[in-house]
Amino acid sequence: DTEVTQTPKHLVMGMTNKKSLKCEQHMGHRAMYWYKQKAKKPPELMFVYSYEKLSINESVPSRFSPECPNSSLLNLHLHALQPEDSALYLCASSRTSPPEAFFGQGTRLTVV
Amino acid sequence: AQRVTQPEKLLSVFKGAPVELKCNYSYSGSPELFWYVQYSRQRLQLLLRHISRESIKGFTADLNKGETSFHLKKPFAQEEDSAMYYCALFLYNQGGKLIFGQGTELSVKP
Repeated sequence: DTEVTQTPKHLVMGMTNKKSLKCEQHMGHRAMYWYKQKAKKPPELMFVYSYEKLSINESVPSRFSPECPNSSLLNLHLHALQPEDSALYLCASSRTSPPEAFFGQGTRLTVV
Repeated sequence: AQRVTQPEKLLSVFKGAPVELKCNYSYSGSPELFWYVQYSRQRLQLLLRHISRESIKGFTADLNKGETSFHLKKPFAQEEDSAMYYCALFLYNQGGKLIFGQGTELSVKP
């Protein structure tokens, strides 16, 4: 299995809702990432987990809360989002060396 | 500051023409560079990594440390090459970040 799988593919949520995005990989990769991508823009790094520990938080607002329950799973918990948070959220995983990242297909999030 | 620069937002060529997508980087250490491609409605895919020196789908890229460049080239463009291309740099010295350039949209016309 050489894929990163993200669920759901699409999500519409209100500003008072709580939802979660899920990401799974079975390639034995020990680094996992969350990125945010707006239309026609590059992915922007949000969080990095290394060996299931949060190693990088790119000053992301606390309404985004990541979680890594085990080496195969990565979650992003969402609460009280704003319409400007609407974007494609990408999960990726990589070996530590070489650090080739494999990306999921993304969750297209719309905040209404 | 560590960054990746792709100077062209859009590159339009005719089928069969050579194509070069430019990428320059700024990094104090030994760079680990990649090219990613994003076809319409598909996931971001790794196209090339500089350490492997492979040719994927006819594309090649050479790291030039003197010019701090990692340009992507293909001698004869095909219509199916139309996509968004991102140059990316892995930052070992910042805990393991993969950062992207702004991207170049390649349009290959028939």
